[in-house]
Amino acid sequence: NAGVTQTPKFRVLKTGQSMTLLCAQDMNHEYMYWYRQDPGMGLRLIHYSVGEGTTAKGEVPDGYNVSRLKKQNFLLGLESAAPSQTSVYFCASSWTSGRARNEQFFGPGTRLTVL
Amino acid sequence: GENVEQHPSTLSVQEGDSAVIKCTYSDSASNYFPWYKQELGKGPQLIIDIRSNVGEKKDQRIAVTLNKTAKHFSLHITETQPEDSAVYFCAAGVKGAYNNNDMRFGAGTRLTVKP
Repeated sequence: NAGVTQTPKFRVLKTGQSMTLLCAQDMNHEYMYWYRQDPGMGLRLIHYSVGEGTTAKGEVPDGYNVSRLKKQNFLLGLESAAPSQTSVYFCASSWTSGRARNEQFFGPGTRLTVL
Repeated sequence: GENVEQHPSTLSVQEGDSAVIKCTYSDSASNYFPWYKQELGKGPQLIIDIRSNVGEKKDQRIAVTLNKTAKHFSLHITETQPEDSAVYFCAAGVKGAYNNNDMRFGAGTRLTVKP
């Protein structure tokens, strides 16, 4: 049981390049999330998904796109990377809100630098 | 939307002392308040959570208190140990039926426990 895994762990991009971050979970969770973590700003939600085939915008969605074609995978895309997108990206997953505990399980993070 | 403020941003205590981290929130509709611990190089992990129908909750050396009237909640760690050193995040949100996007995180507190 690997939990939540993220690929890659590190990446350096040049301004204007594109890339996709992959998140996978093996806990059969319905909900999945992408956050970015910047110094002094905590975790900010980029996009989230409440089920296969559905996605929705979070707090800071501009410049990112997502897809949830399979229940276990949630992809985060940067079409044209900008230096402001330099950050640590975390994926998380959780059961539906019907459960008593709404715990989110986080992946180990991807450190992205845009030059 | 919800806004969460967390204080202090850094906290240094001597091993065996207590540590207290405080958070305030703005949305009176929030009813779920989790606390996450993030160790260096890892993703955040839930350590304790509290629902709005409870004023206090304990789990061994950690406890959380909630004051709904004042819209603030606190994390208390007693008998601190060096392994408690980490960044702690509070969060507040509405545990709704479908929309899990209402969760907001605080900026984090870096706790250092000196041996």
